[in-house]
Amino acid sequence: DAGITQSPRYKITETGRQVTLMCHQTWSHSYMFWYRQDLGHGLRLIYYSAAADITDKGEVPDGYVVSRSKTENFPLTLESATRSQTSVYFCASGYSYEQYFGPGTRLTVT
Amino acid sequence: TQLLEQSPQFLSIQEGENLTVYCNSSSVFSSLQWYRQEPGEGPVLLVTVVTGGEVKKLKRLTFQFGDARKDSSLHITAAQPGDTDLYLCAGAVSGTYKYIFGTGTRLKVLA
Repeated sequence: DAGITQSPRYKITETGRQVTLMCHQTWSHSYMFWYRQDLGHGLRLIYYSAAADITDKGEVPDGYVVSRSKTENFPLTLESATRSQTSVYFCASGYSYEQYFGPGTRLTVT
Repeated sequence: TQLLEQSPQFLSIQEGENLTVYCNSSSVFSSLQWYRQEPGEGPVLLVTVVTGGEVKKLKRLTFQFGDARKDSSLHITAAQPGDTDLYLCAGAVSGTYKYIFGTGTRLKVLA
C-alpha cells in the first residue's frame, strides 16, 4: 500500500546507546523530514532532505545524524542517546508545500 | 529564530458554537499549513495556503492567510464533538521547505 511508514513504533533504549529510527515512503516525494514532538514545544524540525544525498539541518539537529541514499528511505540515528532525546519522533514526506506524516515512533531513553 | 505563535492554546466550547484559532508571526512565510492531530497519531494535513489574502473552505472550516503572509486563522462554524483534536499551524520559512510549527490549539467540543 502507498504511504509512509515508521519503525519501530515503540523503542526503549539506554543512555549512550546508538539507535536508528526508520522511515519509508512509497509516494516518491522528493522532500522528507524528521520532527520531534514534546509537550510544551510542539513539533520541531530535526533534519530535512530535498532529494537523495541532499540533507540540511533543522531547528534541533544536535545529537542526530541522517542519511538519504535512496529517495524512499530517510533513517534518523541517535549516535549516543540521552534522556533529553526521549520524545515522539515523526517522519514526513512531501512536495510543493504539503507534508504527509507517518504514525510516529515513541522513544524512551532510560 | 522564527517563531509561530498559536492561540489560544486550549479551547473548550459547546457543540454548535463557532471558534477561531490564530497563528501569528513577525516573519513572512512562503506558505502556511493547518494540520489536525489525533492522540497517538501523526498530524494530518487539512489545507495549505500560499497567496497573501487567500481564503480556503473545507466544509465547516475556513482558512485565511494574511495579506502580508505573516499570519493565518482557522475558523470552525457550528463545532461538533468530532472536531475535538489538536490543531497545528506550520509555516514554510520564506524561500525554503523548512517548516516552523506553532505549539498547537487543543480543542474540546462538548456535546
